[in-house]
Amino acid sequence: FMLIQPHSVSESPGKTVTISCTGSGDSITRNYVQWYQQRPGSVPTPLIYEDVRRPAGVPDRFSGSIDSSSNSASLTISGLKTEDDADYYCQSYDGTNPVFGGGTKLTVL
Amino acid sequence: QITLKESGPTLVKTTQSLTLTCSVSGYSVDDVVMGVAWLRQPPGKALEWLALVYWNDDERLSPSLKSRLTIKKDSFKNQVVLTMTDMDPVDTATYFCARTLLENGLFDYWGQGTPVTVSS
Repeated sequence: FMLIQPHSVSESPGKTVTISCTGSGDSITRNYVQWYQQRPGSVPTPLIYEDVRRPAGVPDRFSGSIDSSSNSASLTISGLKTEDDADYYCQSYDGTNPVFGGGTKLTVL
Repeated sequence: QITLKESGPTLVKTTQSLTLTCSVSGYSVDDVVMGVAWLRQPPGKALEWLALVYWNDDERLSPSLKSRLTIKKDSFKNQVVLTMTDMDPVDTATYFCARTLLENGLFDYWGQGTPVTVSS
């Protein structure tokens, strides 16, 4: 089971961007999907867990969703800020072990 | 306050073994339905999960590295130790430990990471 993310996306401040995470080899609905943000030089921090939930302190500009028809999860960030310029990783399980996507570099310019 | 802190050598030679320690505070590594994982990130590259040990000593190892990895939980010291054998320059990376929850697979608390360089 693999999670495939676009290498990079870019968008302007104030706009909305969606980052996809496509499952390959199994149904993405079989296990929860998490999303992490990693700013340059920093530790990954949880943004979304259990597909759609936000940890305390994460702004509601960040939202997660699952689309079983495309076997993919998505992270949507609205009202983009320059501070959202970071790498974003999706993560799930293959039934036994954790699996991470290859990460998406979001450029806000 | 929950914290995880990695410690170990910053430089190892090719073919040597690497031993890293994750010291946990704010909760017990024996707390039910929790685990501690090791992950790494080579410079400029993606996160990679390496190993995981749950509260009940159930161990999981990355299939691609299984032959080189050992993970052990020390309940008395509240630590988790990772050993990786036969180190190679491609293993140069920042190594993280993180707490994970069995119920959903979330890595909710992360250490700051420790850089390891493998050189001949």
